[in-house]
Amino acid sequence: AQSVTQLDSHVSVSEGTPVLLRCNYSSSYSPSLFWYVQHPNKGLQLLLKYTSAATLVKGINGFEAEFKKSETSFHLTKPSAHMSDAAEYFCVVSDYSSASKIIFGSGTRLSIRP
Amino acid sequence: EAQVTQNPRYLITVTGKKLTVTCSQNMNHEYMSWYRQDPGLGLRQIYYSMNVEVTDKGDVPEGYKVSRKEKRNFPLILESPSPNQTSLYFCASSLALVETDTQYFGPGTRLTVL
Repeated sequence: AQSVTQLDSHVSVSEGTPVLLRCNYSSSYSPSLFWYVQHPNKGLQLLLKYTSAATLVKGINGFEAEFKKSETSFHLTKPSAHMSDAAEYFCVVSDYSSASKIIFGSGTRLSIRP
Repeated sequence: EAQVTQNPRYLITVTGKKLTVTCSQNMNHEYMSWYRQDPGLGLRQIYYSMNVEVTDKGDVPEGYKVSRKEKRNFPLILESPSPNQTSLYFCASSLALVETDTQYFGPGTRLTVL
């Protein structure tokens, strides 16, 4: 069975400093992995996705994530945080060979300090 | 503009009073699904549909019904709502049931059952 674990429920960084949001997954297959962002009172929007091509994936707004199969991780990073990055971030694993085809992590709330 | 719309955005109701939340997409997507979002639990899939007249249960289907009579619409029906169905609901669509497909989310419906 597949699962997703977001290791931090809340991350707080200062504006201009790096961001690291951690995600570990388990899947019996070679999954697709996604990061979605949810701004307050908004729906979810795709940040980036890994689909078995390049292991370093670049997304919108300067975010990127690296797929590490040996560590079963897909951490999200950004070199320099901006105030507009404050939001909830969800790591998602998609494995259609599994009964639960799409699994969301519990989310990480990112706060940015001025 | 390509989008997923949901109505209503906010709904307060009482236990046992049937309600329907509508969902519509204008992208000719085959795959549609409903999620509920609860604090600390991320998004959990309620039902999904791979095409017209084809629906299947997700991870938390109890107390919900859906129908897919037209490709663009996928309403969520609560025949007898209960307080434990108080939640934030999202409709989503994607081109097909393919692992790599991006999901497009509606803006959400916040439901309170008293």
